[in-house]
Amino acid sequence: GNSVTQMEGPVTLSEEAFLTINCTYTATGYPSLFWYVQYPGEGLQLLLKATKADDKGSNKGFEATYRKETTSFHLEKGSVQVSDSAVYFCALSGSNYQLIWGAGTKLIIKP
Amino acid sequence: EAGVVQSPRYKIIEKKQPVAFWCNPISGHNTLYWYRQNLGQGPELLIRYENEEAVDDSQLPKDRFSAERLKGVDSTLKIQPAELGDSAVYLCASSLAQGQNYGYTFGSGTRLTVV
Repeated sequence: GNSVTQMEGPVTLSEEAFLTINCTYTATGYPSLFWYVQYPGEGLQLLLKATKADDKGSNKGFEATYRKETTSFHLEKGSVQVSDSAVYFCALSGSNYQLIWGAGTKLIIKP
Repeated sequence: EAGVVQSPRYKIIEKKQPVAFWCNPISGHNTLYWYRQNLGQGPELLIRYENEEAVDDSQLPKDRFSAERLKGVDSTLKIQPAELGDSAVYLCASSLAQGQNYGYTFGSGTRLTVV
């Protein structure tokens, strides 16, 4: 079946550091891929998405490229801020329309 | 545009008591989802509606959980009776249509504590 694997957290970085959060997936067919962010005490927000191979999703300085050859959708940001501290979830949506979620990666940015 | 509205934000109940959560999706969003999120984990789907029809309730513990979306707009999720293990955040989400390319919009959730 479909599955998503994320790097374990917490990930702790200093402000202005480069961020990578790894996400790999297993799926049949051609899923769509998503990154969601959950700030403390809040619900999940869609951060970015990509619906086909080689697509790049981007938002708020974050980027992720849909790599079918490596079945990956790694999240990157060139210079993180304290306000980026949150839990980040990678997810995929396949032909049955159900979102399959990774376990989440907690990101802590220190000033 | 108003987002997905959920109420209440927090609820504390004793075990064996009933509890209900309410969700109003984004206007025009036909697809509505209820998720449960335990601390430190990703959300797990409980039920998915397409308009007023529950098209996927395979993960809903039907012995104690029920849900309805009578007019295809707002929805209610109920637990009766609640157990200690039901403590979690209950999230409602909606999307414009059923399809793998659509991202969901989530509400802020209801944090349930069963004591």
